[in-house]
Amino acid sequence: NAGVTQTPKFRVLKTGQSMTLLCAQDMNHEYMYWYRQDPGMGLRLIHYSVGEGTTAKGEVPDGYNVSRLKKQNFLLGLESAAPSQTSVYFCASREAVAGLNEQFFGPGTRLTVL
Amino acid sequence: KNEVEQSPQNLTAQEGEFITINCSYSVGISALHWLQQHPGGGIVSLFMLSSGKKKHGRLIATINIQEKHSSLHITASHPRDSAVYICAVSGGSQGNLIFGKGTKLSVKP
Repeated sequence: NAGVTQTPKFRVLKTGQSMTLLCAQDMNHEYMYWYRQDPGMGLRLIHYSVGEGTTAKGEVPDGYNVSRLKKQNFLLGLESAAPSQTSVYFCASREAVAGLNEQFFGPGTRLTVL
Repeated sequence: KNEVEQSPQNLTAQEGEFITINCSYSVGISALHWLQQHPGGGIVSLFMLSSGKKKHGRLIATINIQEKHSSLHITASHPRDSAVYICAVSGGSQGNLIFGKGTKLSVKP
């Protein structure tokens, strides 16, 4: 099993460009998450999904969109990138069973917006 | 005030020392998580606990629900333990995690 994978690992964008980050998991998990990690701050939740076809906003959703068309994939889109979106992005997934809420993280995507 | 507070923010130790990292939280939780992040690396779950104490190798995690406090201990520390250790709590209907800012540990040989 590959667990949680993220594509790409690194990316540099210019302000105003768009891109999509792909997260894939092979553990048949219902819940999936997108976080960003910035220096001096804890991980912050951008958006999450509790199942195929459903998404919800997290703590810092502005400037991002997400889609969960297939259970194994969770896409994070930046329509018009801004320097404030320079960050490391982590995807995570977990079981939906109550109490079994250990999250499994992907390796991260380092995004720089110039 | 942050809902999850960790201390210290940075910690330098000599190889072999006993290390303690603390986590306090101010919200109701269903579980507390300790995570490890190596430099430039991904995030790995070390422990998930809702009461008492758990041990895995040289790592021990404890939680006091009444005091809303948890500790992560590392016995006989080693340079390979150098990493950022993150405390997170889960609760609420969706079980989303709330993260502390992390403790950066450096163990010198």
